[in-house]
Amino acid sequence: NAGVTQTPKFQVLKTGQSMTLQCAQDMNHEYMSWYRQDPGMGLRLIHYSVGAGITDQGEVPNGYNVSRSTTEDFPLRLLSAAPSQTSVYFCASSYQVTTNEKLFFGSGTQLSVL
Amino acid sequence: TQLLEQSPQFLSIQEGENLTVYCNSSSVFSSLQWYRQEPGEGPVLLVTVVTGGEVKKLKRLTFQFGDARKDSSLHITAAQPGDTGLYLCAGGGADSWGKLQFGAGTQVVVTP
Repeated sequence: NAGVTQTPKFQVLKTGQSMTLQCAQDMNHEYMSWYRQDPGMGLRLIHYSVGAGITDQGEVPNGYNVSRSTTEDFPLRLLSAAPSQTSVYFCASSYQVTTNEKLFFGSGTQLSVL
Repeated sequence: TQLLEQSPQFLSIQEGENLTVYCNSSSVFSSLQWYRQEPGEGPVLLVTVVTGGEVKKLKRLTFQFGDARKDSSLHITAAQPGDTGLYLCAGGGADSWGKLQFGAGTQVVVTP
């Protein structure tokens, strides 16, 4: 059972480039989310989804787009990368939407924008 | 806005010592979770507490949820090098459906 799989593990972009961070889960979880982790800031929620076709903004959504066409996949798109988006990105999923439900995290994508 | 404040930010202790990590907020949470994160990996859930005053034990780790559900603590007894990691608390509110708030974390280093 793979759990939550994120690709790539590392990525370097130039300012203005676009890219998609991939996230897939094989646990049939309803809820999926994207967080970014910066030193001293903890994990901050970017976007989340409560099911296929349904997405909503989190705390820091600007500069990022998401879509959820299937239960399994929840890609995060950076349309025009900026140095401020240098961070470690985590995808997470859970069986239900309630906030006391266990979150399963991927192993992260370390992104550097030059 | 950081709703959950963790203290201390960094803790370095010797094997066998005890330690306590705190998670405080001015907001009431319907539940609070503790995660541990190791370098290069995502956080892994340790425990969820949902009732004010609740105490949960996980081997040498003791978790407490404040009576008012605004704060929590994690106590480790006789720490071991395997306890080294970043400890994160995360709170969920009744009006924050789907939006779990994380603290900045406490980095714990246990040396042999």
